[in-house]
Amino acid sequence: DTGVSQNPRHKITKRGQNVTFRCDPISEHNRLYWYRQTLGQGPEFLTYFQNEAQLEKSRLLSDRFSAERPKGSFSTLEIQRTEQGDSAMYLCASSSDWGNQPQHFGDGTRLSIL
Amino acid sequence: AQKVTQAQTEISVVEKEDVTLDCVYETRDTTYYLFWYKQPPSGELVFLIRRNSFDEQNEISGRYSWNFQKSTSSFNFTITASQVVDSAVYFCALSGISSGSARQLTFGSGTQLTVLP
Repeated sequence: DTGVSQNPRHKITKRGQNVTFRCDPISEHNRLYWYRQTLGQGPEFLTYFQNEAQLEKSRLLSDRFSAERPKGSFSTLEIQRTEQGDSAMYLCASSSDWGNQPQHFGDGTRLSIL
Repeated sequence: AQKVTQAQTEISVVEKEDVTLDCVYETRDTTYYLFWYKQPPSGELVFLIRRNSFDEQNEISGRYSWNFQKSTSSFNFTITASQVVDSAVYFCALSGISSGSARQLTFGSGTQLTVLP
């Protein structure tokens, strides 16, 4: 049973560029979550998928942020026209789809904007 | 709205000491779940425990124990006989019905625990 996998681990890019992160959840998990974590803070919820349906996206930080999970398996998070304030750790988590099962997190993708 | 407060930003103890990490939460939900996660320097959040709001029994798992008190809205975490490998940031988190089907977690700001040899 492999855990949640995120790629890349680190991403350095210039301001204004687009970036895309990938998350592969635990295979039997239908729920997939994206969080953002800034230095010294706890993770902050961004969006959520139940299978391929994005059921909650009102917490995405701006319209520059978008996420997909086209086949209900892996997911991508894209940030367009990156800004300095986007520098953070982006975490993906997955869980099974009944009750409040614990979410299992990946190692995260650390984004640095130059 | 839901809120989790971890008032202790940093704690340092010497190995073998006991240490308690505090967590206070706010929610209007009558049904909710509380969690603790550990984040070592490598960065991955590791799930430690989940408790539901109807179960106030304290729980012990090895050197770890949790004290859930609804009357004070607290869910404190104690590590007995701490070890250097316990050094990490510990997060308390809350999930309730008002989160809708998403059941997203609301995290506290974390407590950095350093265990000195």
